[in-house]
Amino acid sequence: GDSVTQMEGPVTLSEEAFLTINCTYTATGYPSLFWYVQYPGEGLQLLLKATKADDKGSNKGFEATYRKETTSFHLEKGSVQVSDSAVYFCARSDQTGANNLFFGTGTRLTVIP
Amino acid sequence: DAMVIQNPRYQVTQFGKPVTLSCSQTLNHNVMYWYQQKSSQAPKLLFHYYDKDFNNEADTPDNFQSRRPNTSFCFLDIRSPGLGDAAMYLCATSRDRESNQPQHFGDGTRLSIL
Repeated sequence: GDSVTQMEGPVTLSEEAFLTINCTYTATGYPSLFWYVQYPGEGLQLLLKATKADDKGSNKGFEATYRKETTSFHLEKGSVQVSDSAVYFCARSDQTGANNLFFGTGTRLTVIP
Repeated sequence: DAMVIQNPRYQVTQFGKPVTLSCSQTLNHNVMYWYQQKSSQAPKLLFHYYDKDFNNEADTPDNFQSRRPNTSFCFLDIRSPGLGDAAMYLCATSRDRESNQPQHFGDGTRLSIL
């Protein structure tokens, strides 16, 4: 089964709108969780991470909280900008010691002025 | 700035003609990864090197191989590319294999097959 499930896109928002992209994961233990962003034609960039339950990762106005009870790591931003338009990937780490990443399918965000 | 560099950014090859993609890093990280990302899909791990130790994913086709001659460089070799191998290929590194280590990605090489 899927290890990481992301909200399907595409998502289109007006500038300064509130953003939520849902992400849930399945794991037997406590993996590390990540959000990566991919701008057009580029590789993935780490946006934020959380390594244990109740940790909050934050960067560039984006936040996500590691919720063990709901196995979720939803991405939020209070006021999006046109420059936030990109594809966002939720990912969890492999727990076998290999540090492989399991990615969600990605959510394309378009912010319009 | 320390970084992960992939060359070339765009590569075109013919059906069945071997092709090599390259990746270099100035981060001095122990682990290097190769991912395949097809259009509108998530990256899929092909294999990784932990130092000189090669680790292949179970479902990676035999057509894909890799070399890591030193810490800084890693190559992806596709022996006989098929049309289904057209994709973005992403190289990534991490300092170690601990699960809390983030991976640092290059900008990718987009491979087209004629």
